[in-house]
Amino acid sequence: NAGVTQTPKFRVLKTGQSMTLLCAQDMNHEYMYWYRQDPGMGLRLIHYSVGEGTTAKGEVPDGYNVSRLKKQNFLLGLESAAPSQTSVYFCASSYSRRAGHYYEQYFGPGTRLTVT
Amino acid sequence: AQSVTQPDIHITVSEGASLELRCNYSYGATPYLFWYVQSPGQGLQLLLKYFSGDTLVQGIKGFEAEFKRSQSSFNLRKPSVHWSDAAEYFCAVGYLDTGGFKTIFGAGTRLFVKA
Repeated sequence: NAGVTQTPKFRVLKTGQSMTLLCAQDMNHEYMYWYRQDPGMGLRLIHYSVGEGTTAKGEVPDGYNVSRLKKQNFLLGLESAAPSQTSVYFCASSYSRRAGHYYEQYFGPGTRLTVT
Repeated sequence: AQSVTQPDIHITVSEGASLELRCNYSYGATPYLFWYVQSPGQGLQLLLKYFSGDTLVQGIKGFEAEFKRSQSSFNLRKPSVHWSDAAEYFCAVGYLDTGGFKTIFGAGTRLFVKA
């Protein structure tokens, strides 16, 4: 199993450009999440999905959009990048509650995004 | 509102010494509690989890954590630290609300191990 994969690993954008980050998981997880990690602030939830075709806003959703057309994929879009979106982005997935599982999350390796 | 506090931004311990990383949370009911570890340049990996049952939970890599409801704490411990344990550690609290399951992460504690 590949687990959770993210593409690309690194990206540099100019202010105003757009891009899409792709997350894929092969564990048949119901939940998928997008976080951003900034120094000293831990992880902050951007958007999440509890199942195929459903998405919801997290703690810091402004400037981002997401889609989950297939259960295994979760896309994060930046329509008009800003320097404040320079960060490391992590995707994660988890089962919903079932025997032996407590919604623990499995993380991808991250995407380092720089907006100049 | 739910929150997680990790009071120590960084900790330095000698190899072979014991370790305790502190975590306090704010939540009205019994939360789901987690510790994750992040090595440089990598994603987070689950060390251990707690929701119910024995309040002392064992995790991977020789780590354990104890849930103390009266203190709203879930501290992580290891009896003897190895150089490979140098990493950043995140405590997290999870809960169910109308939108589904959500997890709040602490700001992290960076562990340095000296020879």
